[in-house]
Amino acid sequence: GEDVEQSLFLSVREGDSSVINCTYTDSSSTYLYWYKQEPGAGLQLLTYIFSNMDMKQDQRLTVLLNKKDKHLSLRIADTQTGDSAIYFCAESFGGSQGNLIFGKGTKLSVKP
Amino acid sequence: DVKVTQSSRYLVKRTGEKVFLECVQDMDHENMFWYRQDPGLGLRLIYFSYDVKMKEKGDIPEGYSVSREKKERFSLILESASTNQTSMYLCASSLGQGVGEQFFGPGTRLTVL
Repeated sequence: GEDVEQSLFLSVREGDSSVINCTYTDSSSTYLYWYKQEPGAGLQLLTYIFSNMDMKQDQRLTVLLNKKDKHLSLRIADTQTGDSAIYFCAESFGGSQGNLIFGKGTKLSVKP
Repeated sequence: DVKVTQSSRYLVKRTGEKVFLECVQDMDHENMFWYRQDPGLGLRLIYFSYDVKMKEKGDIPEGYSVSREKKERFSLILESASTNQTSMYLCASSLGQGVGEQFFGPGTRLTVL
């Protein structure tokens, strides 16, 4: 069935770039998403990419999509301690019912 | 801005109690979802609804039921709470078209003793 996989942990130093990777299985996904969850809070949409794009940039965030390999990545430039959070990759399941398939989340720790 | 609110941030209940978790969204979204989040397991879909009075089972519906009597409100019911239902519960809503992103509430951390 549909599955989204991502590594569980990433640790970087403040000021470095962070790259969080994700693989998905549903090649018909129209959109792919990155969500951020801060401690004790719900998920917040960070960015999304349409499946016919291969890159999207938004300030410090760069999303790369490789449809052939079904690989999605999120790069955070100049990572700050405030970026410490869990990052979820998600793909749309298709249809108007709006189901998304989420990865298990990558916990990003930023060391000063 | 879309706002999704959940009735409680923290809840402590006893085994066997009936528990109601309420979720309200203010953006006229068709779709609403209930997830539970556990360490190492990510988000697991319990139930979702794509219209008033409509409901569909997600991946882990056992031990739960839902109610959607009004478009803006989606309730999750634990008929007889058990300790393995201790978890973070997240509600979300989405429009049935466009980018399709889900908007999440702040979550309810439920502890069943």
